[in-house]
Amino acid sequence: DSGVTQTPKHLITATGQRVTLRCSPRSGDLSVYWYQQSLDQGLQFLIQYYNGEERAKGNILERFSAQQFPDLHSELNLSSLELGDSALYFCASSVSSREGYGYTFGSGTRLTVV
Amino acid sequence: AQKVTQAQTEISVVEKEDVTLDCVYETRDTTYYLFWYKQPPSGELVFLIRRNSFDEQNEISGRYSWNFQKSTSSFNFTITASQVVDSAVYFCALRDDKIIFGKGTRLHILP
Repeated sequence: DSGVTQTPKHLITATGQRVTLRCSPRSGDLSVYWYQQSLDQGLQFLIQYYNGEERAKGNILERFSAQQFPDLHSELNLSSLELGDSALYFCASSVSSREGYGYTFGSGTRLTVV
Repeated sequence: AQKVTQAQTEISVVEKEDVTLDCVYETRDTTYYLFWYKQPPSGELVFLIRRNSFDEQNEISGRYSWNFQKSTSSFNFTITASQVVDSAVYFCALRDDKIIFGKGTRLHILP
């Protein structure tokens, strides 16, 4: 157990729907990162939050949004889902947003859009 | 722009052979951090090593070793006496304000 908890582990939904993925960071970690892993794109950075504030944005679609709550858990909202959104979504946390710290990853949420 | 290249998409070796996974990176920063992660068939991402740009000493951890060469912008990973349990996808990564991953190398260790 890495200490980073992601729920649900698996999600199957239909095109056009909206889903919410949840991440609880490791105790003491203030930074949360979201990554999307698809077969053809590899691991793509989506967005980072640090202590409740958005810190960096990557290749995140406008249909996707995220937030980090006062208790530091984070949610990634995916709307108007398309088949191509099927992927493994990882959350990671680190104690700091500083460069030297590695990430601890959760076990991921596998999203299947049908 | 930062970039990580893992030219080997897939490698297969027979158990007990040594295998090296290549990683080449690009960055304009003078201070940066490099990582290797393992993704076994179960899907989770497992941290293996972190190296900062000022520490060019090679590192050995059991059967794993890492060769960091700034002159060639490479951070290669060698598994000695490979085992079937080493079968996984291995990612090299570079951190500036976020971690950027290479596309990974899928390693098959054949019994």
